[in-house]
Amino acid sequence: GQQLNQSPQSMFIQEGEDVSMNCTSSSIFNTWLWYKQDPGEGPVLLIALYKAGELTSNGRLTAQFGITRKDSFLNISASIPSDVGIYFCAGPTGNQFYFGTGTSLTVIP
Amino acid sequence: ETGVTQTPRHLVMGMTNKKSLKCEQHLGHNAMYWYKQSAKKPLELMFVYNFKEQTENNSVPSRFSPECPNSSHLFLHLHTLQPEDSALYLCASSHGGGSPYEQYFGPGTRLTVT
Repeated sequence: GQQLNQSPQSMFIQEGEDVSMNCTSSSIFNTWLWYKQDPGEGPVLLIALYKAGELTSNGRLTAQFGITRKDSFLNISASIPSDVGIYFCAGPTGNQFYFGTGTSLTVIP
Repeated sequence: ETGVTQTPRHLVMGMTNKKSLKCEQHLGHNAMYWYKQSAKKPLELMFVYNFKEQTENNSVPSRFSPECPNSSHLFLHLHTLQPEDSALYLCASSHGGGSPYEQYFGPGTRLTVT
């Protein structure tokens, strides 16, 4: 099946730093979504992207739909301790829905 | 109650038991999904229901049996499971219409098969 690769796998950053992560696919996607999952909880939708080149913000989060439609990027500015968690990219193809391998973020106060 | 709820939150069962997981969504959505999340693996889509009709079954073993009596409720019936079925089972819902965009997830049921 489809594989969405995320990098980096994990990040350890100081509070206040900016964070960048990305997600790549071997196939074209027409929609990209970014989710965050806290331990013991389900993923929470952060941002949805519907058009190649689109840049969308949600507070300190900004995500971009790559122009090739095979990648997407998520940036977090001025990180805070509650940003800790695992970030997943995801994309639908027909009735299938694929999730990335995840980027684990640790914020050191 | 708002969003997507799942019960129980934790379940321990033996390989010969039969149990059911329940999911309820209060978002007015028409599509519901079951996912399996195992350690160190991406979320795996198991079943999709659109307007109560099953539209996807991703080669899931028959020991997992879904049921969707209406657009708000989804069950996953479990029987004769294996230890490798231990995982977090997540339910999600979306507006559906054939396109699973913007899914909203429940907190999951942590299943342990002994």
